[in-house]
Parts: sequence; C-alpha cells; structure tokens
Amino acid sequence: NAGVTQTPKFQVLKTGQSMTLQCAQDMNHNSMYWYRQDPGMGLRLIYYSASEGTTDKGEVPNGYNVSRLNKREFSLRLESAAPSQTSVYFCASTSLASSYNEQFFGPGTRLTVL
Amino acid sequence: KNQVEQSPQSLIILEGKNCTLQCNYTVSPFSNLRWYKQDTGRGPVSLTIMTFSENTKSNGRYTATLDADTKQSSLHITASQLSDSASYICVVSANDMRFGAGTRLTVKP
Repeated sequence: NAGVTQTPKFQVLKTGQSMTLQCAQDMNHNSMYWYRQDPGMGLRLIYYSASEGTTDKGEVPNGYNVSRLNKREFSLRLESAAPSQTSVYFCASTSLASSYNEQFFGPGTRLTVL
Repeated sequence: KNQVEQSPQSLIILEGKNCTLQCNYTVSPFSNLRWYKQDTGRGPVSLTIMTFSENTKSNGRYTATLDADTKQSSLHITASQLSDSASYICVVSANDMRFGAGTRLTVKP
C-alpha cells in the first residue's frame, strides 16, 4: 500500500494564480483532512471530509475550496493564491474503525506564492 | 495562545544520550494525546497514542507519559540515534485535534 500520496511535491505560484493540490489514499479510510504547517506553529486544519460526499470547514478555511471526488481522493483548491498561503500542505486520512482515530499523513506539498 | 505548548523549541544532543521533550496542554475535554515524529520533508508519523486512563506508553526507545491532572505529557528518548533527528509533535484530541508547534531534535555524532 502506498498510504497517503500527494501531488505535486513542490509548487511556485504568482499571486492571483490558481491551482489544485491532489491527495489520494489506498487504505479505504472514510475521513480525509487538509492541513497547513507554518514555521513556529502547529498544523492547522483547513478542511475535512468525514465521509464521501461531505466536507466541512476547519480552523483556517478562507481562500480554499475542497472536493471529495470519491472515497480515495480529496483535493484542495486555491482559486486566487496569496503570499499568505505560502506553506507546507499535508493531507491525512483516518478510518472510523480506528479506536483512536489515528491519522496517517501524506508527504506534503511545499507551496510558495510570490 | 496555542492550547498545546511544547518545550524546548529545539534541542541538540549527542548520539547515545537520553532526552525528554515536554508538552503542556489546556485542551478540554480531553480524549487522547499523541506524539508524532516528523522527519524533514516528510509527513508526521505516529509514535504513541494515550487515552485519559493511560499514564505511560512505550514504542521501542520512545516512552511517553501522561499526567491528565496537571495536563502534562513527556516523550523520553533513550539511547538516541542519528535517525532520531526530527521534529516531535504533541497532538491533543478533544472535539478536534490540536497540534503543538513541535520540538526540533538534532542528534549529533
């Protein structure tokens, strides 16, 4: 199993450009998450999807949209990138069958907005 | 103010030495506490998970402790190895998950 995969690994955008970060998991997990990680701060939740067909806002959703395309895939879209969105983005997934709701993380996408 | 505070922010130790990382939290109600290891350029990987009723849990050379009364946790690393160089993140779950900013550990030969 590949676990949680993310593409691309790196991306540089100009202010105002748009892009979609892709995430897929092959563990048959129900819930998927998007986080951003900034220096000196803990991971912050952007959006999550508790199950296929549902999405909910997290702590910092402004400037982002998400799509739960199917059970495997959960994408994050920046419609008009801003320098404040320069960050490392992590996708994670968890199984409802897990008693501790353990999250498995992807390798991250490092995004720079100029 | 972050509800999960970790200390120190960074730590340098010599290979073979032990170290202890601290996590204090104010998150309430409390469900469980996890420690993650994050290698540079990688996603976090779970080391231990403890519920309210557990006060210690080990994973090889990693031992986590939890004092739910004082809302403190520690991660003790025994006989450190170069591969232990990473960031260690404390995560407290209540209604949602709250992440600490992490402790950056460097193990030098």
